[in-house]
Amino acid sequence: EAEVAQSPRYKITEKSQAVAFWCDPISGHATLYWYRQILGQGPELLVQFQDESVVDDSQLPKDRFSAERLKGVDSTLKIQPAELGDSAMYLCASSARTSGSGTGELFFGEGSRLTVL
Amino acid sequence: DAKTTQPTSMDCAEGRAANLPCNHSTISGNEYVYWYRQIHSQGPQYIIHGLKNNETNEMASLIITEDRKSSTLILPHATLRDTAVYYCIGPGTSYGKLTFGQGTILTVHP
Repeated sequence: EAEVAQSPRYKITEKSQAVAFWCDPISGHATLYWYRQILGQGPELLVQFQDESVVDDSQLPKDRFSAERLKGVDSTLKIQPAELGDSAMYLCASSARTSGSGTGELFFGEGSRLTVL
Repeated sequence: DAKTTQPTSMDCAEGRAANLPCNHSTISGNEYVYWYRQIHSQGPQYIIHGLKNNETNEMASLIITEDRKSSTLILPHATLRDTAVYYCIGPGTSYGKLTFGQGTILTVHP
């Protein structure tokens, strides 16, 4: 069964350092999402791509976070500089449908857990 | 800013049905109700979704009230592996944008 791949699985960094996460969605999925999940809370959408275009990045802290999906396939989420409050699970998800029933059927990866010291 | 209301936690005995309620009174007429679950240290997993009619798949059943202001997810024969956080998502699901709330921690015990 196809899966969303994410790396690294775990990342420990010091504050003010740069960190990057990579995601490879299920083949053929046009829509890609990055979510952040703080311990004990539900996931929060950071950015949504449709192919290579950003559809929604209203919750992305743009002073330190950036995301790209240059060829409309895999994606990278970067944080620079990292802050203590960025410690969280970063989840990538993809979806095949862009309209109608099923647009909310997302396939999530296992996430990248970030710890900022 | 979650737009659904779910109990914080629930318990269920193994083999019995687990009925998880959700209130989503602000849902629009064309917005679907989605249910996801998240087992510890894993990404969320899609379970089921519906608009007006009740739905059933191999994992669960979804009962949506006629006024669409609430729904119930039913796991017919809960197992220990169903222990997870269950998220109900309704308002704001247009174009695939899912707004997760706190969810319900379901614990299935022997």
